[in-house]
Amino acid sequence: DAGITQSPRHKVTETGTPVTLRCHQTENHRYMYWYRQDPGHGLRLIHYSYGVKDTDKGEVSDGYSVSRSKTEDFLLTLESATSSQTSVYFCAISEGWVGNSPLHFGNGTRLTVT
Amino acid sequence: GQQLNQSPQSMFIQEGEDVSMNCTSSSIFNTWLWYKQDPGEGPVLLIALYKAGELTSNGRLTAQFGITRKDSFLNISASIPSDVGIYFCAGPGGSQGNLIFGKGTKLSVKP
Repeated sequence: DAGITQSPRHKVTETGTPVTLRCHQTENHRYMYWYRQDPGHGLRLIHYSYGVKDTDKGEVSDGYSVSRSKTEDFLLTLESATSSQTSVYFCAISEGWVGNSPLHFGNGTRLTVT
Repeated sequence: GQQLNQSPQSMFIQEGEDVSMNCTSSSIFNTWLWYKQDPGEGPVLLIALYKAGELTSNGRLTAQFGITRKDSFLNISASIPSDVGIYFCAGPGGSQGNLIFGKGTKLSVKP
């Protein structure tokens, strides 16, 4: 698992509640990513980080925010969860830019918004 | 935007058979990655390709970076039951941090 821990592994929450997912890495990699995986859409990038306090939006960033205060931790927050955010969320890390350094993924967090 | 098209979408094969799947794009990619995902787990990197024409093996797996830079192939020889899973191709695209994924080829192996 390339030293990546996602927590929680499963969560059920109600519409309108805030939710924070955590990704912790032990590889000291510079880049960290949050993807969501949905049937018919595959894996899509939500946000990524290229260093402490340096983040940028991905393809499907609306409704999500991220923070990275330490190299090893990358948090994904849903400020007010909606049913469309029911998905499996994967954290990934890479040493460098995606063109040169392959991504390694955690085992995912299954989020259900009721 | 950039898209990766994988085929076939699914395959049902007998144990011991060879498998071939591919990934194509209408735009050029300078890196091709192949991942495998088992149920309930994250994708695991199988092979990374960084040079057009490159042919790389990892055990029974062989992948090639197409010379046009618009396609890549993954072959699995002598399939075994643990090869079951979903295989994804991926390549960098769009923003600096974005890895674009194909929709996957689901492989089922009959003992």
